[in-house]
Amino acid sequence: EPEVTQTPSHQVTQMGQEVILRCVPISNHLYFYWYRQILGQKVEFLVSFYNNEISEKSEIFDDQFSVERPDGSNFTLKIRSTKLEDSAMYFCASAARGITNNEQFFGPGTRLTVL
Amino acid sequence: AQSVSQHNHHVILSEAASLELGCNYSYGGTVNLFWYVQYPGQHLQLLLKYFSGDPLVKGIKGFEAEFIKSKFSFNLRKPSVQWSDTAEYFCAVNGLRSGNTGKLIFGQGTTLQVKP
Repeated sequence: EPEVTQTPSHQVTQMGQEVILRCVPISNHLYFYWYRQILGQKVEFLVSFYNNEISEKSEIFDDQFSVERPDGSNFTLKIRSTKLEDSAMYFCASAARGITNNEQFFGPGTRLTVL
Repeated sequence: AQSVSQHNHHVILSEAASLELGCNYSYGGTVNLFWYVQYPGQHLQLLLKYFSGDPLVKGIKGFEAEFIKSKFSFNLRKPSVQWSDTAEYFCAVNGLRSGNTGKLIFGQGTTLQVKP
């Protein structure tokens, strides 16, 4: 069964450093998402991506964040200058449909720890 | 703004007990509704979904949920839980409106602990 994969599973970084979180969505999916979950809190939407551009982003997704699909298979989330409060589990998701009847498939997550 | 509320944060049950986890959402229009489960150390998996039609939906592993539009609720049920159901359960909503991109709004999650 096709799966969404994410690398690395755990990333530790120093405050102020750049990190890139990688995701490989399911191959025939067209809609891509990033969510995050701070320890003990709810899963929060960050950004949705379709047709090589951001279609929606949350207030959390400020100028320090960016996404791209560099090669038609990977979908990356970059945090330019990490802050302590960026420590969280980051989930990538993909879907075949965008809005109606949208079932999203989630990856296993990347645990980001900012020291 | 859309929001989702799960009433139970931590539920402890014995095996064979019945389960009902509450989920209410705040949104004025048409919605797609989901329950996801996260077993320890694993990723979010879809338990069941409601798009349209019969408001009683059946999912995997004996779970079901009922959409009650008038109450803005989508409660998850299972008649008899097993130890292997120990996990965290998330209710999520996708509000369908012009300009919506399919983002999911999640509840806080409910940790279910089933004692053998």
